[in-house]
Amino acid sequence: DTAVSQTPKYLVTQMGNDKSIKCEQNLGHDTMYWYKQDSKKFLKIMFSYNNKELIINETVPNRFSPKSPDKAHLNLHINSLELGDSAVYFCASSQDLGRTGTNEKLFFGSGTQLSVL
Amino acid sequence: GIQVEQSPPDLILQEGANSTLRCNFSDSVNNLQWFHQNPWGQLINLFYIPSGTKQNGRLSATTVATERYSLLYISSSQTTDSGVYFCAVDRYNFNKFYFGSGTKLNVKP
Repeated sequence: DTAVSQTPKYLVTQMGNDKSIKCEQNLGHDTMYWYKQDSKKFLKIMFSYNNKELIINETVPNRFSPKSPDKAHLNLHINSLELGDSAVYFCASSQDLGRTGTNEKLFFGSGTQLSVL
Repeated sequence: GIQVEQSPPDLILQEGANSTLRCNFSDSVNNLQWFHQNPWGQLINLFYIPSGTKQNGRLSATTVATERYSLLYISSSQTTDSGVYFCAVDRYNFNKFYFGSGTKLNVKP
């Protein structure tokens, strides 16, 4: 079973469209994240959620809206897509890092390559 | 935010060679992890190593937290080791990992 799964793997769309990426984890983790990897492979955090609550919003344009219906799911909706949004988006999860004595490894999904034309 | 620098940026090895990758960070951290991004783009967690030394097969990692650096050792490299290696750190368990810019490794047969 895939620990962190995200769909779709590839997303090609026109400027101005709205699209969503879905993410699910079956590891029982409390915290989920969205990361963006640009064309130079630089990874930067966008959002993190802990038990469905938004913890981090890293000055991401408000066209990006994460939604966490439960602690196993974190979806990313993007409105009015722009050329500069083209990147690979990774979902990740980890155990609550505020608790001691727990495995604090970060696990990534396989990524969604978004191409905006 | 915390600065994470990795060196070297690029590394070419002949199969069987050993290598050391370095990660320097600008402030104290209590979580440090190493990742391998394979040529298909998948990010694999190699080590969770905020301090001390760990080994996993041909790979080992050492973090000297007081001196703010970590090292990843790859011994007897194989072509499947090719890809990009990232170091990521978090301070005070804020659920916010900062990534270095990576070391791109190419192991030639």
